[in-house]
Amino acid sequence: EVQLVESGGGLVQPGESLRLSCAASGFSFSSYNMGWVRQAPGKGLEWVSDINTSGSPIYYADSLKGRFTISRDNVYNSLYLQMNSLRDDDTAVYYCARLSYSSGSYYFDYWGQGTLVAVSS
Amino acid sequence: EIVMTQSPATLSVSPGERVTLSCRASQGVRTNLAWYQQRPGQAPRLLIYGASTRATGFPARFSGTGSGTEFTLTISSLQSEDFAVYYCLQYNNWPPEYTFGQGTKLEIK
Repeated sequence: EVQLVESGGGLVQPGESLRLSCAASGFSFSSYNMGWVRQAPGKGLEWVSDINTSGSPIYYADSLKGRFTISRDNVYNSLYLQMNSLRDDDTAVYYCARLSYSSGSYYFDYWGQGTLVAVSS
Repeated sequence: EIVMTQSPATLSVSPGERVTLSCRASQGVRTNLAWYQQRPGQAPRLLIYGASTRATGFPARFSGTGSGTEFTLTISSLQSEDFAVYYCLQYNNWPPEYTFGQGTKLEIK
């Protein structure tokens, strides 16, 4: 059974940093691209970033403007999201998600339960 | 950036009814379109990918159609567990830039 378990969320002040982790199990982690998607309270879904099986290439949503860094460790079957210079509008549930490939493109198939990041002074 | 527009935003329906949800892309995405179901307090679940392929675990009452810019999700006979928010996602861009629709909420009439 595919399992994705996020951790590392919490309450931080604007300008602070936070590192999210996602522990994967139940599949060959090193064979799949992975990504992060976030959802602000009461709002829709927003793609944040994704990373290739080997760690490169990496893609980010333009709105993040270099503040976030995605990485992975295929030895420990883990995905990470380093978030710097956090702002109020980064408040959201952050989901780790697996990417599957079909007909030349990738889509999110399995999602974790999410971890809440709250940015407030 | 490809913009995805879902309609309606909210749909009030009774169990047993047939419903059709719409998703429109601002430019063609071929059949690189997925649908997700999100129940309150839960993570999204993949429902449809490739515009029409049903994901594991979802019954045949769910079906997806469309290509290019117009897509629909149909639920043939609503069950109580189907009341949720449904999102579409396009994944056609290169370099990757995934964009979701704003969601359609199915609520009990």
